[in-house]
Amino acid sequence: GAGVSQSPSNKVTEKGKDVELRCDPISGHTALYWYRQSLGQGLEFLIYFQGNSAPDKSGLPSDRFSAERTGGSVSTLTIQRTQQEDSAVYLCASSLRQAPYEQYFGPGTRLTVT
Amino acid sequence: KQEVTQIPAALSVPEGENLVLNCSFTDSAIYNLQWFRQDPGKGLTSLLLIQSSQREQTSGRLNASLDKSSGRSTLYIAASQPGDSATYLCAVAGSNYQLIWGAGTKLIIKP
Repeated sequence: GAGVSQSPSNKVTEKGKDVELRCDPISGHTALYWYRQSLGQGLEFLIYFQGNSAPDKSGLPSDRFSAERTGGSVSTLTIQRTQQEDSAVYLCASSLRQAPYEQYFGPGTRLTVT
Repeated sequence: KQEVTQIPAALSVPEGENLVLNCSFTDSAIYNLQWFRQDPGKGLTSLLLIQSSQREQTSGRLNASLDKSSGRSTLYIAASQPGDSATYLCAVAGSNYQLIWGAGTKLIIKP
């Protein structure tokens, strides 16, 4: 079956612009996660959605970052007024139920802020 | 605070060798541990998931072990192939839902 998909695969943007990253989880998966992988660093948790519950935004690095999940499926991660330090690979994952069930990852979006 | 360490950071071996990658964690109160593979420019592929009640999991040439009491997991790769070249990451899930990640081991298998 179809896995987690993300778009775009690559995004180059100028400093100060807003960007939107999209994630389509595996059908039927109720939990969705966003992670960030910066060059030379490990993966960093950003935000977690579970069903209709309020998302856990504790990992978002600043108020320029926000995310939403519509209809319990597709999620969009928005970064406003991008900075060069936002350059990273943004990974989305989904799981059948809430963690700690196995998480399945998308291919990621490589964001470059110039 | 959970911390995950992977040793070595990089490993280069000739094709055909058996090898072991190590992962250690500081808090033994985990729900599960997952091993992932990451190829350059690509996402993460889950290789094996070991629940906290399990000691090991096997998939093909891969075998992962878990010793919660000592805070250690190993990923054993038998008869390595050039296609195994990738970065291998381990991640632990605790009482909350966040995965805590190691920095990875970059593996190169030389033909």
